[in-house]
Amino acid sequence: QQQVKQSPQSLIVQKGGISIINCAYENTAFDYFPWYQQFPGKGPALLIAIRPDVSEKKEGRFTISFNKSAKQFSLHIMDSQPGDSATYFCAARPGPRGGYQKVTFGTGTKLQVIP
Amino acid sequence: GAGVSQTPSNKVTEKGKYVELRCDPISGHTALYWYRQSLGQGPEFLIYFQGTGAADDSGLPNDRFFAVRPEGSVSTLKIQRTERGDSAVYLCASSPQGSLASGANVLTFGAGSRLTVL
Repeated sequence: QQQVKQSPQSLIVQKGGISIINCAYENTAFDYFPWYQQFPGKGPALLIAIRPDVSEKKEGRFTISFNKSAKQFSLHIMDSQPGDSATYFCAARPGPRGGYQKVTFGTGTKLQVIP
Repeated sequence: GAGVSQTPSNKVTEKGKYVELRCDPISGHTALYWYRQSLGQGPEFLIYFQGTGAADDSGLPNDRFFAVRPEGSVSTLKIQRTERGDSAVYLCASSPQGSLASGANVLTFGAGSRLTVL
């Protein structure tokens, strides 16, 4: 059972454009939604995260939009750069009563930003 | 150390052999996690340690997989009678606080150990 569904599987964006990656979840016990960035040969690294009590969080060129009623959230990368080319994973974690140590990851989106 | 260190970075073994993968977490991090990442997939939870004890091992696929953390620092993931389906990147992560309370939710991952079972 895939608890966090991520799309698209791959994405090609021109330099300066906006990259958008979408995720949907099923488990209403999730209360923390991080995004991870992974470069080839490296482990995932935390990029930005949001809690469901806010609808948007922005850090530099990266923004998470969160729709609690629809159980969806998305990552927007503004002014995409070739250095942003990586695989991005959305993730979700339950609250203290739901096994908060177990982070569930989406299947990943491979982003390529072309000059 | 400065980051999470995993050894070996690559391991090729034959079907049926025994394998050990080592994780050295960030100094002072009490929580340690093992994840498995198959090709083209996201990391999949295997086991979580808080200190020396395995607080949640519900992600271990079967009894061929076992992990220890005897002194609350370095952890070893052990796989017996390896199968071709075990081929994956095994990722270790640590975090500074086992409760993952606000402000301590960050998992820091190592680069992983790529296991290939022939």
